[in-house]
Amino acid sequence: DTAVSQTPKYLVTQMGNDKSIKCEQNLGHDTMYWYKQDSKKFLKIMFSYNNKELIINETVPNRFSPKSPDKAHLNLHINSLELGDSAVYFCASSQVTGDGYTFGSGTRLTVV
Amino acid sequence: AQSVTQLGSHVSVSEGALVLLRCNYSSSVPPYLFWYVQYPNQGLQLLLKYTTGATLVKGINGFEAEFKKSETSFHLTKPSAHMSDAAEYFCAVSDPSGGYQKVTFGTGTKLQVIP
Repeated sequence: DTAVSQTPKYLVTQMGNDKSIKCEQNLGHDTMYWYKQDSKKFLKIMFSYNNKELIINETVPNRFSPKSPDKAHLNLHINSLELGDSAVYFCASSQVTGDGYTFGSGTRLTVV
Repeated sequence: AQSVTQLGSHVSVSEGALVLLRCNYSSSVPPYLFWYVQYPNQGLQLLLKYTTGATLVKGINGFEAEFKKSETSFHLTKPSAHMSDAAEYFCAVSDPSGGYQKVTFGTGTKLQVIP
């Protein structure tokens, strides 16, 4: 009964390819997030959706496009992958911000 | 803009010793504050949080943190370190100006526990 599940867990791909990462939460939370964690463990928010509506859109290359078909799903599509996109991408969800986030286990993306 | 600073990217303690991980934030209005733990190859797990009310908050695994407004700090402590506490710890703040929607994470502190 994984609360926030991401697929795939590992993704190795060549530069220039397009890839997607999927995220699903079964907690009934209204808000979902994508964070990027770099090799130095620094976490940076990318996007946030509240009930399918985009509410946070940080300075991220427009090669990254989130999509939320319903409030339980938030996917991340990346076009024209670059070496610098290599990182761990975390999905998270929350009901009320003060409750904190529930994180997925991450997707390790390696661009070669 | 909200920011959070964690002093010490690496902290080493002996098993059974006090754990103290430091976190300071910058905000003119008290934010919500969180501590998360990340074990190798895993996602982050919420340890504890402060929103309002009692300034000393207790979390899981015997950890606690105290919100000190005058010092803009939210340090994490545990009286006695256990080997299983070895992990990366992140302090985080949520921005009151944005309705607390946006959470900013510190750069993390790696805790090493020496037997």
